[in-house]
Amino acid sequence: SAVISQKPSRDICQRGTSLTIQCQVDSQVTMMFWYRQQPGQSLTLIATANQGSEATYESGFVIDKFPISRPNLTFSTLTVSNMSPEDSSIYLCSVAPGQLDYGYTFGSGTRLTVV
Amino acid sequence: GQQLNQSPQSMFIQEGEDVSMNCTSSSIFNTWLWYKQDPGEGPVLLIALYKAGELTSNGRLTAQFGITRKDSFLNISASIPSDVGIYFCAGQLYAGGTSYGKLTFGQGTILTVHP
Repeated sequence: SAVISQKPSRDICQRGTSLTIQCQVDSQVTMMFWYRQQPGQSLTLIATANQGSEATYESGFVIDKFPISRPNLTFSTLTVSNMSPEDSSIYLCSVAPGQLDYGYTFGSGTRLTVV
Repeated sequence: GQQLNQSPQSMFIQEGEDVSMNCTSSSIFNTWLWYKQDPGEGPVLLIALYKAGELTSNGRLTAQFGITRKDSFLNISASIPSDVGIYFCAGQLYAGGTSYGKLTFGQGTILTVHP
């Protein structure tokens, strides 16, 4: 299965600023996903990132707040814009299986604290 | 939208005991996945289930895809301290090949194993 490198692993940011999270995959993948995991909670899908097209956002998430780039088949970024303390969460990228019988693979996540 | 109800929310067991957790859904899924998340890490796939009624094992782990396609369970036999973590079920509407569907996650089961 794919190996995902996610950066930064953690950050503490001032409210009102923005943070860009990077996700690098060791192989070409069609679909990449971004999730948010609020403290003590489950994972919620933010958006699906397709190479060469606009990301598809889930209900409750908007492009102005969470702009996503997908410049090629191995890389994506998620920006958390104009942060507030409510944005403090773990953000995870994930890739879809490229073969039968493999589940989605996740990066190790970015732990964001907004102060 | 779809919701997964995962239970129990937490478990405190002695080393060597067996563990069982389950997920139920209000709608059907084509695929059920079980993940484990350790602190500071992303979820790691444990077992993937693709067919109603399927029973699959991975070492001490056994999972089943319910006949109705609306539920799944995970059993861990003879628990050991390294089984500690958060276990998530996830349902997916599409299965296999390069097609994909969004993952919907359960709330998670926090497992604590006392030596």
